Amino acid sequence: EDKVVQSPLSLVVHEGDTVTLNCSYEVTNFRSLLWYKQEKKAPTFLFMLTSSGIEKKSGRLSSILDKKELFSILNITATQTGDSAIYLCAINAGGTSYGKLTFGQGTILTVHP
Amino acid sequence: GAGVSQSPSNKVTEKGKDVELRCDPISGHTALYWYRQSLGQGLEFLIYFQGNSAPDKSGLPSDRFSAERTGGSVSTLTIQRTQQEDSAVYLCASSLDGRFYEQYFGPGTRLTVT
Repeated sequence: EDKVVQSPLSLVVHEGDTVTLNCSYEVTNFRSLLWYKQEKKAPTFLFMLTSSGIEKKSGRLSSILDKKELFSILNITATQTGDSAIYLCAINAGGTSYGKLTFGQGTILTVHP
Repeated sequence: GAGVSQSPSNKVTEKGKDVELRCDPISGHTALYWYRQSLGQGLEFLIYFQGNSAPDKSGLPSDRFSAERTGGSVSTLTIQRTQQEDSAVYLCASSLDGRFYEQYFGPGTRLTVT
């Protein structure tokens, strides 16, 4: 069974801090790893990673995948209160179900002013 | 254009009753997904529809859960004989064909079984 574990489960920082969120996984037939940001109810897509060692970047957010060690990290630099959210990691595995995603339990990030 | 919509936004039901949750995907999106999120948990995959292919039902937790998608658009998730452990937020998402990573989520239905 595919499995995704995120750490820490929650994190409290102050504006301007840099945070690193972790995601480790176990999967047969890995296809891709994804990061989402969930504010209130609806998650929004951040990154998709398929290859090891290639950093994806969007503004203050960046992510990298290590397929050998089976983990990914999401970095947020110069955090702002608007970064407060749940960050979800998910994997997409090969096989007959092309679109199925397995999610981790999420990291709750709180950024204080 | 309009995003994914779900109805109702909140539903309180008594244990043992049946409920139907509705999802209207973004027009033109051929893929539709249902997830469940319990308090403090990540998203749990339930079912996935892609075009005219047979749906992937592998995430449905029991035979009390079923879903259908009529005309390749609107989807209904039905829970029969609800139990208290069914209480959760039920999220629907849709995407373009092949773009499973870029799922657009609806606001969810919060189901409370008393």
